[in-house]
This record gives sequence, C-alpha cells and structure tokens, in this order.
Amino acid sequence: DAGVIQSPRHEVTEMGQEVTLRCKPISGHDYLFWYRQTMMRGLELLIYFNNNVPIDDSGMPEDRFSAKMPNASFSTLKIQPSEPRDSAVYFCASMGQGHNTGELFFGEGSRLTVL
Amino acid sequence: GENVEQHPSTLSVQEGDSAVIKCTYSDSASNYFPWYKQELGKRPQLIIDIRSNVGEKKDQRIAVTLNKTAKHFSLHITETQPEDSAVYFCAARGSTLGRLYFGRGTQLTVWP
Repeated sequence: DAGVIQSPRHEVTEMGQEVTLRCKPISGHDYLFWYRQTMMRGLELLIYFNNNVPIDDSGMPEDRFSAKMPNASFSTLKIQPSEPRDSAVYFCASMGQGHNTGELFFGEGSRLTVL
Repeated sequence: GENVEQHPSTLSVQEGDSAVIKCTYSDSASNYFPWYKQELGKRPQLIIDIRSNVGEKKDQRIAVTLNKTAKHFSLHITETQPEDSAVYFCAARGSTLGRLYFGRGTQLTVWP
C-alpha cells in the first residue's frame, strides 16, 4: 500500500489566488482528516469525513476554506482567496476499521506558502 | 469537546538519559491515547498507544502510563539516542466518534 498520498508537496502562490490541495486516503479507510500545522498553533483539525460525509468542520477557519470528498478515494481542500496567514503545512490523514482505537495514517503533507 | 494539555514544550537531554513527556485530558469518556513522533520535515507517525483499560504499556525503550483517575498519561523514553530527537504529540480520543485531539507537541533534543 502506498499510504496516504497528498499533492502538491509544495505550493507557492500569491495572495488572492485559489489553492487546491488533494488527498488520496489508504484504500478501505472510512475516515479522512485534514489538519493544518503551524509553529504557533500546532496540529489543528480542520475537518473530517466518515464514509465521504463531513462530520465536523468546526475547525475550518473561515468561509475561504472548503473541503469535499466526492468519493472514497479522493478529497480536496480549497482555499479561495488565499492569504499569507494561510501559510502552513496541511496534512491529510486516514483511519480504517476500529475507529475507537484506530491508528491515524498521515500523508507527507502539502507545504503552502502564500506571498 | 476534549482538551489535551502537553508539557513540556521543549526538552533537552543527554544521550543515554531518560525523557518524560506528560499530558492531561479533560473528557473522562476518552478511552484511547496514542503518541505520535514527527521528525523534522516528516509526517507524524504512531509510536505507541494505550487504551483506557490498561495502566501501562511498554515497547522496547518507550513506555506509556495512564492514570484515569487523574486524567493524565505520560510517555517515557529510556536510554535516549540522538535519533529520538523529534517532536512528540500526545492525543486522546473520546466520545466524539473518530476524532483525535492532539496536544501542542514537545520538541525533544537528545545531545550526543
């Protein structure tokens, strides 16, 4: 298994541009999580899905952020318009059966820099 | 929701010494407590976990203890090595289905 796959690994963009981050979870995993990591705030949960349905999006900072999971093998996190304070590493993670004790598998992250 | 506090935020030890990282949680319904290690520039990875029906678990040089009454759990690393240098995160999973609540992390530095 290739693990959780994220793209792009690095993104540099200018303020006001749209950013789309992509994630392919591990096959068979029914939970998908989007986290943002910064020095100031640590690992923040933005949103998570169960069986493609958003369960909790209370961590999404603003209306500029949106996430979708059109099917079990793909999710996107979109920021429109982007701002310099959105600069961070965005991790996608998935989890499989036994959700109460299941391990979270993280992707390698997407490092976003907004100039 | 759950609130996980982690201390210290930074920890420096000499190679061969022990390191202890402590976490507290607020939700008495939490029943699963994993620890993740994140090396510089890498993804967080699970190193050990403990369930609420167990007080202690050990895996070679690392161990985790859980005190449900006091609502705190700790990570112990013995005979530390330079490759143990990383950020360590504790987490708790409680009554909210599927969700893990993470502490802020501890930057551990092991000096040779």
